[in-house]
Amino acid sequence: EAQVTQNPRYLITVTGKKLTVTCSQNMNHEYMSWYRQDPGLGLRQIYYSMNVEVTDKGDVPEGYKVSRKEKRNFPLILESPSPNQTSLYFCASSIISGNTEAFFGQGTRLTVV
Amino acid sequence: KNEVEQSPQNLTAQEGEFITINCSYSVGISALHWLQQHPGGGIVSLFMLSSGKKKHGRLIATINIQEKHSSLHITASHPRDSAVYICAVYQAGTALIFGKGTTLSVSS
Repeated sequence: EAQVTQNPRYLITVTGKKLTVTCSQNMNHEYMSWYRQDPGLGLRQIYYSMNVEVTDKGDVPEGYKVSRKEKRNFPLILESPSPNQTSLYFCASSIISGNTEAFFGQGTRLTVV
Repeated sequence: KNEVEQSPQNLTAQEGEFITINCSYSVGISALHWLQQHPGGGIVSLFMLSSGKKKHGRLIATINIQEKHSSLHITASHPRDSAVYICAVYQAGTALIFGKGTTLSVSS
């Protein structure tokens, strides 16, 4: 089954404790992206990757890092989480950028206390 | 400035009603997406359009490139259609730009 898998689904952590949210897709997609969703603000792009070893900043990259060492994986790293990073996070993939259908992960609800 | 505007923000309907959700955008685009987000939080892609009209089951999406406007229609609405519907536009070489979503509630 074609899918984008995020882990964990829920995470509560403390300020400053490094964490990684994993994202994996099994569709051989080149384009992968991370979004955060906040009430009243909608979905906003954090980082994206056009292919292996190619990543770029989206609209709200501050406080986040990503890597794309393999085509299928695109982890999101919070080196020193802060309460303003409490949000619902989505990973998505598509064949190529926004001109093809996007497949979303199930989301990760992160709370930073 | 909101580049993607959706209306209405909230919509309540009775089962069986015809539903229309609108999306207007202010930039030139190469594709427009309609997404559905259920209360559990997951997002699924409903349509991707660059012109004309697409239909899938009871869902119909149309786009008018000249008027920078798209509509999502749901015929014979059902409680299971209750969700947030999100419009997103894509400009070549940039990222998806999302609307804030329309929350639909269909009661039986």
